Amino acid sequence: QVQLVQSGAEVKKPGASLKVSCKASGYTFTNYAFHWVRQAPGQRLEWMGWVNAGNGDTKYSQRFQGRVTITRDTSASTVYMELSSLRSEDTAVYYCAREIGGDSAAFDIWGQGTVVTVSS
Amino acid sequence: QSVLTHPPSASGAPGQRVTISCFGSSSNIGSSTVNWYQQLPGTAPKLLIYSNNERPSGVPVRFSGSKSGTSASLAISGLQSEDEADYYCAAWDDSLNGPVFGGGTKLTVL
Repeated sequence: QVQLVQSGAEVKKPGASLKVSCKASGYTFTNYAFHWVRQAPGQRLEWMGWVNAGNGDTKYSQRFQGRVTITRDTSASTVYMELSSLRSEDTAVYYCAREIGGDSAAFDIWGQGTVVTVSS
Repeated sequence: QSVLTHPPSASGAPGQRVTISCFGSSSNIGSSTVNWYQQLPGTAPKLLIYSNNERPSGVPVRFSGSKSGTSASLAISGLQSEDEADYYCAAWDDSLNGPVFGGGTKLTVL
């Protein structure tokens, strides 16, 4: 079954770090790029960055540069997103998504989303 | 930050045709293809249209997309109650060197 399965909900305190996993199955993991997109309550989808699962290349949104790290483990067909120095504004649903084509913004498979709450 | 804009809401009666527009700029829609997503409450977005007018397998033919210059449109014909959802446009942005999304149009089926 072609899918992405993400890790469960998280509650974090301000200043803490977050790591969300996204496991791929049903296709050749290294043939694709995987992106992380978040959606704060009532807000638009916001791109955070991507990783090329084949060669490990990454690119991050300027907005998150220095705070976000995206990695992949080819042996586990899993991508990870780490976000540091959390603040209340980081409360959102975080999605991983598989991109079709290159630099296309076309994401055909999405994870189910990970709800992250940042609160003291 | 570069963003795409479209109307916050749209509506139509069952069986009608509705169109949702998306406006961008030369750094995104003007130089890239447009994709459309449908998001039902509490679920992840679903790819509805990619490369301006292509439908992924399983998407009904009553969903269609088009692009002209720096704007794009999603048309839904034969509106059904299950089409009630939020719709987002997306395109690659050369300035951001990443994807940008619209703010979403909430479609109500009357």
